[in-house]
Amino acid sequence: AIRMTQSPSSFSASPGDTVTITCRASQVVSIYLAWYQQRPGKAPKLLIYGASTLQSGVSSRFSGSGSGTDFTLTISSLQPEDFATYYCQQYYSFPSFGGGTKVDVK
Amino acid sequence: EVKLLESGGGLVQAGGSLRLSCSASGFRFSLYAMYWVRQAPGKGPEWVSTISGSGDKTHYADSVKDRSTVSRDNSKNTVSLQVNYLRGDDTAIYYCAKLRERFLEWEPLDHWGQGALVIVSS
Repeated sequence: AIRMTQSPSSFSASPGDTVTITCRASQVVSIYLAWYQQRPGKAPKLLIYGASTLQSGVSSRFSGSGSGTDFTLTISSLQPEDFATYYCQQYYSFPSFGGGTKVDVK
Repeated sequence: EVKLLESGGGLVQAGGSLRLSCSASGFRFSLYAMYWVRQAPGKGPEWVSTISGSGDKTHYADSVKDRSTVSRDNSKNTVSLQVNYLRGDDTAIYYCAKLRERFLEWEPLDHWGQGALVIVSS
């Protein structure tokens, strides 16, 4: 099974900040990497797929990069609704998710 | 509008069985593989099972393999998951989810249900 490791597991930021979350795969997954946002009590929401393609309807403040084993999610100019938990997921083979990165208000 | 609605969650004794169902609408159901994904309290999501659009191919995570069965009824736009010999670590919210692309099996998930809470008590 491919293990997905996210860092950091949590951090605090202020509205307007630009933040970056990292995801590392235990083996190469090419660009078969997605990012999700999850707010408390809600299902995950797809933000980015193919490592860098923005899902329809998602704000352009979200961007993704990377390939192989190392990936990043960047959120520019944090808005109040962006304070949430973010997960990466590989779909190169049997799917697996990262442990999550919680972004809360400083 | 795509809608996914899970049912069948609840409190179950360890060693027992549970059958979850997911009713889908708003898309051509038979063309899409469907996933079951679960999320234990405070943890990240965990893929549980996949069933192809026609239902002829199924896959299971090691954590539920040999004690779970996924099925679908394309005439009723429903997908189901039965899990037997439930254990404490099966306690989770169980989501059904739709793949972003038709015909493929390994794809991101662009629509999720609201989830069904399963609590396994000892």
